[in-house]
Amino acid sequence: DAGITQSPRYKITETGRQVTLMCHQTWSHSYMFWYRQDLGHGLRLIYYSAAADITDKGEVPDGYVVSRSKTENFPLTLESATRSQTSVYFCATSGEVHSPLHFGNGTRLTVT
Amino acid sequence: GQNIDQPTEMTATEGAIVQINCTYQTSGFNGLFWYQQHAGEAPTFLSYNVLDGLEEKGRFSSFLSRSKGYSYLLLKELQMKDSASYLCAVTDSNYQLIWGAGTKLIIKP
Repeated sequence: DAGITQSPRYKITETGRQVTLMCHQTWSHSYMFWYRQDLGHGLRLIYYSAAADITDKGEVPDGYVVSRSKTENFPLTLESATRSQTSVYFCATSGEVHSPLHFGNGTRLTVT
Repeated sequence: GQNIDQPTEMTATEGAIVQINCTYQTSGFNGLFWYQQHAGEAPTFLSYNVLDGLEEKGRFSSFLSRSKGYSYLLLKELQMKDSASYLCAVTDSNYQLIWGAGTKLIIKP
């Protein structure tokens, strides 16, 4: 089925470990985004991508790495997880820069 | 800096009407979005305004005044399933999306 899929839905990891969150879309949308959502902060942009092999930093990129070798995939890696990275992470896509976003179901990450 | 303000929480009664306000100060303006987010779920798109005026979609309407930096989302004939957070987001001159913190709407029977 067409859509956007995030995995895993839930993840518990320890401080200092590397974690990769996956995002896959079947629409061939150009734009892909990674957000984190924490109480009191709303959605904060971590990284975004306008096309394959083009990525750019958002509001809170420190401690995160992204890649986009294929249009459909946009993984987010926490190189060395910290407790402050405990959050709900949403991947989103849009076909054009001013189009509405389509969100994945989110990944709830807990860093212990 | 860029800023979007929304009330943190609102309470309304089933069957009534509620208006959720959003004011913004951004570097330029290229459109305003409203999203709905149920607890534990992803945001879903509700409406988009780029010109002044009212956009109606069934029970939901969204209004924009660019000169006042103001929008509202109007929900009519409230149902229990409308209990959710409502997120206002503005696209600035660089087409970056600026998000409000969201308004949690509680519907009481």
